[in-house]
Amino acid sequence: RKEVEQDPGPFNVPEGATVAFNCTYSNSASQSFFWYRQDCRKEPKLLMSIYSSGNEDGRFTAQLNRASQYISLLIRDSKLSDSATYLCVVSSPQGTYKYIFGTGTRLKVLA
Amino acid sequence: DAGITQSPRHKVTETGTPVTLRCHQTENHRYMYWYRQDPGHGLRLIHYSYGVKDTDKGEVSDGYSVSRSKTEDFLLTLESATSSQTSVYFCAISEAIEYGYTFGSGTRLTVV
Repeated sequence: RKEVEQDPGPFNVPEGATVAFNCTYSNSASQSFFWYRQDCRKEPKLLMSIYSSGNEDGRFTAQLNRASQYISLLIRDSKLSDSATYLCVVSSPQGTYKYIFGTGTRLKVLA
Repeated sequence: DAGITQSPRHKVTETGTPVTLRCHQTENHRYMYWYRQDPGHGLRLIHYSYGVKDTDKGEVSDGYSVSRSKTEDFLLTLESATSSQTSVYFCAISEAIEYGYTFGSGTRLTVV
């Protein structure tokens, strides 16, 4: 089982739609969780950090379910500019300094 | 976002030649990382550093070495480049594990 798993997509959605991505992680001792966004041929950029049970930033909501070991990202009122790959990132167990990346979920918002 | 820069941005090299990629930061962050990104594999950790002269291996370290002689620079060396090392290489920095990474713009390396 991969340490961090994501549905690769692609998710093709119309403008204005709401779309949700899920990510599961294998190590229950992980403490820090993030969503990154990566545009084609660019570096990943931090989208959201996820604190305790969840976090909201404008149209974006991230949630963490520790019991089931998954995190989710909800995008409301999708824009064309939201088209990108979204990476789920989980910290290694306490005592190391590494993050583990999912392979990403591709989103394409259609006009 | 000039806090982290990678050089070169693009490089084509021949099989068997040594190659060094440079990552330079101006943020004084303790942690620095080298990743490679390939289709179907996502980002995979090559080596990382948790301080000057303190480095450790990641999941795909074979064929790579690193050095960090000062806080701001983290060098990745391919001792003898192979075609399987054709990839996009990203450097990342972090102040602390709970703050996430900031990535450099990447180096696109082609080994022919």
